[in-house]
Amino acid sequence: QVQLVESGGGLVKPGGSLRLSCAASGFTFSDYYMAWIRQTPGKGLEWVSFISTSGGVKKYADSVEGRFTVSRDNAQNSIYLQMDSLRAEDTAVYFCARDTLWAIPATPSGYDFWGQGVLVTVSS
Amino acid sequence: EIVMTQSPATLSVSPGERATLSCRASQSVGSDLAWYQQLPGQTPRLLIYAASTRATGIPARFTGSGSGTEFTLTISSLQSEDFALYYCQQYNNWPMCSFGQGTKLEIK
Repeated sequence: QVQLVESGGGLVKPGGSLRLSCAASGFTFSDYYMAWIRQTPGKGLEWVSFISTSGGVKKYADSVEGRFTVSRDNAQNSIYLQMDSLRAEDTAVYFCARDTLWAIPATPSGYDFWGQGVLVTVSS
Repeated sequence: EIVMTQSPATLSVSPGERATLSCRASQSVGSDLAWYQQLPGQTPRLLIYAASTRATGIPARFTGSGSGTEFTLTISSLQSEDFALYYCQQYNNWPMCSFGQGTKLEIK
């Protein structure tokens, strides 16, 4: 069965860095686009980042552009989120999610599988 | 940025009755709209995509409708396990997307 397992969360001071990982199993990982989404009690769900199947295309929300970097390793069936210059407002539960199956044209249809989430707390 | 607005913020309905949740987009998103359910302490679960297509394994009591800027999720004959948070998501500007702020469906 499809599984996504995040790790790497924790407490970090403002201005610090953290690297999240998401290990995938149960499907052909390299065939799928992937995404990071975060959730806070106050702002709800917020899309953070996207990465294409090869890793050649990456997109970011304006709120994290220039501070976060997404990557993937198809040999390891994993995606990563490097978070630098962290701010208090980055405090959230971060989910990785399976996006669309690669195709031409792509036919997005929401995120059908999500990891359990990992808590990131940015506080001094 | 496409802003998604859900209403009401909280909806109180009795078990066995019908619930109607609304989602409005700040500009047309065609049919590029999904609905998710989130139970307490759990991850979001995809219910509906393409505005009206049920995801795999989703019961027929969940119905999505609408297009353009106005969308509705209807849950007929509410079961105890349906009381949860519901989010809409537009993906018209995929791979970017945006979510509504959520509707809490509670037992009346």
